[in-house]
Amino acid sequence: KQEVTQIPAALSVPEGENLVLNCSFTDSAIYNLQWFRQDPGKGLTSLLLIQSSQREQTSGRLNASLDKSSGRSTLYIAASQPGDSATYLCAAPNSGNTPLVFGKGTRLSVIA
Amino acid sequence: DAGVIQSPRHEVTEMGQEVTLRCKPISGHNSLFWYRQTMMRGLELLIYFNNNVPIDDSGMPEDRFSAKMPNASFSTLKIQPSEPRDSAVYFCASSFQGAPGGYTFGSGTRLTVV
Repeated sequence: KQEVTQIPAALSVPEGENLVLNCSFTDSAIYNLQWFRQDPGKGLTSLLLIQSSQREQTSGRLNASLDKSSGRSTLYIAASQPGDSATYLCAAPNSGNTPLVFGKGTRLSVIA
Repeated sequence: DAGVIQSPRHEVTEMGQEVTLRCKPISGHNSLFWYRQTMMRGLELLIYFNNNVPIDDSGMPEDRFSAKMPNASFSTLKIQPSEPRDSAVYFCASSFQGAPGGYTFGSGTRLTVV
């Protein structure tokens, strides 16, 4: 059964800093991996979707990488802003293309 | 597209009452998922449907929980009778299985059972 772990659980950084959020998963036979953002009291917003054949995806200041062999993904946020403050969730399928299993998330605070 | 639509946004009910949560997936998506989010356990899958057929309901905590998908544009999650420990945020998500698409989540229903 897939297990997804995110480290750190919480992170506080000054504005402008580049940062990396880590995600690890136990079953590498995944179809894809997805990163989400969740603001307090809100739903989940998809940030990046990486297919199993890809090594990374970029959207603006965000870059997500995927290393299936090591069971790891990272989310890189460049030049962080206070508006980036939220919880970031990593999710991978149980196997193949089955439902997503979520990590507990990393709660990010960017201080102005 | 209006996205995944859930109703109600908030629900406060008394213990023992029946609660029905509703979800309208994105048109054209053929997979629908119900998740529950709590501080202690994070996001947990309750049940999912492919082409309106329930595929895996092993995440449904008890027989008090049931879910239906009578057609491709509507699903319900029912709790009867409700208990205080059912208090959580319930999310519905949809996707197109078989294509390299991701999940789209609704805004969730915050359920409080008193």
